[in-house]
Amino acid sequence: AQTVTQSQPEMSVQEAETVTLSCTYDTSENNYYLFWYKQPPSRQMILVIRQEAYKQQNATENRFSVNFQKAAKSFSLKISDSQLGDTAMYFCAFMKLNTGNQFYFGTGTSLTVIP
Amino acid sequence: NAGVTQTPKFRILKIGQSMTLQCTQDMNHNYMYWYRQDPGMGLKLIYYSVGAGITDKGEVPNGYNVSRSTTEDFPLRLELAAPSQTSVYFCASSYSTTEAFFGQGTRLTVV
Repeated sequence: AQTVTQSQPEMSVQEAETVTLSCTYDTSENNYYLFWYKQPPSRQMILVIRQEAYKQQNATENRFSVNFQKAAKSFSLKISDSQLGDTAMYFCAFMKLNTGNQFYFGTGTSLTVIP
Repeated sequence: NAGVTQTPKFRILKIGQSMTLQCTQDMNHNYMYWYRQDPGMGLKLIYYSVGAGITDKGEVPNGYNVSRSTTEDFPLRLELAAPSQTSVYFCASSYSTTEAFFGQGTRLTVV
């Protein structure tokens, strides 16, 4: 099984500031996909951003961007101009391309945005 | 815009009872998954399916069974509930290399 590690169980950030959440993964695959999901208190899993491993360009989605370092197997999420609605659990996920396209998740980082 | 629908949202089971968690998706996705989420543990894959009639075990399949008779439905069966199966269960679906779309989860307590 693939391993996804999120080493920051909890983080906080002041409203309007920038925060970076870390994620590393272990795989011998060359082609795969990486994701960040957000889980607010409602429990719904919401896609934040997606990165294809074969693309060198880092993905961006409005205030959210990633720093994808393939050689280092690192995939961090940067949230700019943090808003109160960003308060949630954030999960990093790895999708291995095979017959099942299984998703493997990290243990999550609980982010609190402080007013 | 139903997406992935799970029922029930909450359930309390007694030890030894059985139940089925229902999951249906209306996006014609070929891949479907069942995960459990425990505090501090992230999401662990229980079972997955690549299409109707095809299922396979994930990381933590013991104590569970699945079936996939149609593209839309992927129920998860607990035969003899144990306290260790107290968790939040998520069903998800995806199409090829797209992201996984999740249901709203089922909070199951076994007492």
